[in-house]
Amino acid sequence: GDSVTQMEGPVTLSEEAFLTINCTYTATGYPSLFWYVQYPGEGLQLLLKATKADDKGSNKGFEATYRKETTSFHLEKGSVQVSDSAVYFCALRSGGSYIPTFGRGTSLIVHP
Amino acid sequence: DAGVIQSPRHEVTEMGQEVTLRCKPISGHNSLFWYRQTMMRGLELLIYFNNNVPIDDSGMPEDRFSAKMPNASFSTLKIQPSEPRDSAVYFCASRPQGTESYEQYFGPGTRLTVT
Repeated sequence: GDSVTQMEGPVTLSEEAFLTINCTYTATGYPSLFWYVQYPGEGLQLLLKATKADDKGSNKGFEATYRKETTSFHLEKGSVQVSDSAVYFCALRSGGSYIPTFGRGTSLIVHP
Repeated sequence: DAGVIQSPRHEVTEMGQEVTLRCKPISGHNSLFWYRQTMMRGLELLIYFNNNVPIDDSGMPEDRFSAKMPNASFSTLKIQPSEPRDSAVYFCASRPQGTESYEQYFGPGTRLTVT
């Protein structure tokens, strides 16, 4: 079945540091890939998405590129801020399913 | 745009009591999902409705859990009787109609504590 593997957290960074959160997946066919963010006390919200190989999703300074050859969708940001502190979830949706598969989430803590 | 509305936001109850969580999806969305989030197990899908019909309830942990969607604008998740291990944050999410609409819209969650 489909699965998503994320690096374990927490990831702790200083403000303005470079961020990478790794995400790899296993899926049938050509899935759509997503990153969701969950701020403290809130529900998940879509951060970015990519629907086909080599697509790059981007939003709020975050980027992720759909790499079919390595089955990866790593999240990056060049300079993190304290306000980016949250839990980040990688997810996929296979073409034949209406139900997404989520990773376990990676907590990011950014210190001033 | 009100977003997905959940109530209550916090619920504290004693073991053995009935708990009912409520969700109002975004108007026009035809898919609704209930999730449970815990530190130990992460985010788990409990049940998925499409056009008010339960499509996949394989994630419902046991018979103590039940979910209904009597109309397009309301859903409930009921736990009877509740147990301390049910303590978690429960999220409702909805999704608009159409095969290109992959994004899910999550509510703020209900934090349930069973003592």
